Amino acid sequence: DAGITQSPRHKVTETGTPVTLRCHQTENHRYMYWYRQDPGHGLRLIHYSYGVKDTDKGEVSDGYSVSRSKTEDFLLTLESATSSQTSVYFCAVRSGESYEQYFGPGTRLTVT
Amino acid sequence: GQNIDQPTEMTATEGAIVQINCTYQTSGFNGLFWYQQHAGEAPTFLSYNVLDGLEEKGRFSSFLSRSKGYSYLLLKELQMKDSASYLCAPGLTGANNLFFGTGTRLTVIP
Repeated sequence: DAGITQSPRHKVTETGTPVTLRCHQTENHRYMYWYRQDPGHGLRLIHYSYGVKDTDKGEVSDGYSVSRSKTEDFLLTLESATSSQTSVYFCAVRSGESYEQYFGPGTRLTVT
Repeated sequence: GQNIDQPTEMTATEGAIVQINCTYQTSGFNGLFWYQQHAGEAPTFLSYNVLDGLEEKGRFSSFLSRSKGYSYLLLKELQMKDSASYLCAPGLTGANNLFFGTGTRLTVIP
């Protein structure tokens, strides 16, 4: 299962509050990704990291920030949550030697 | 820009063979991935084609034609547990990120 955990697994929060989701991996993968998945849309890339403190924007980065201070942790922050950010968030990892990505179990976030 | 076209839904009978097609248009291409996603779960990696042709892996095979921007996933001897969404995802050059389609929801019936 590529040793990926996400926390929390479920969260309900109110509009305007900050929210941080955590992705933790145990296998020293270089690359980490945050996606969101919504009905009618494919998985959409929010941000990704190619090393400690090295991150870049994906397709839908507005309203999100990330940090990676250690190889094993990749944090996704919603500075001020909005109802449009209600979604299922998946973290994924990739080693430097291959292209396939492996996904964590997901976090279901509801913004009321 | 990127675009992926795959059927939204398919139904097939247990024990049969089903082919899920995917056409794609991307600015840069680095191979084609297929993922399986059961309802309420995370996507799991099925296959990766970088060269033209057919790759076989047990009951699942995947085909790629780079010149046509076309791929298919072939599932043989269908089982009820194969009911899931199947996601086509071209790999993009540069950062080697993946671009996912909306997926094909396959229902296997007895």
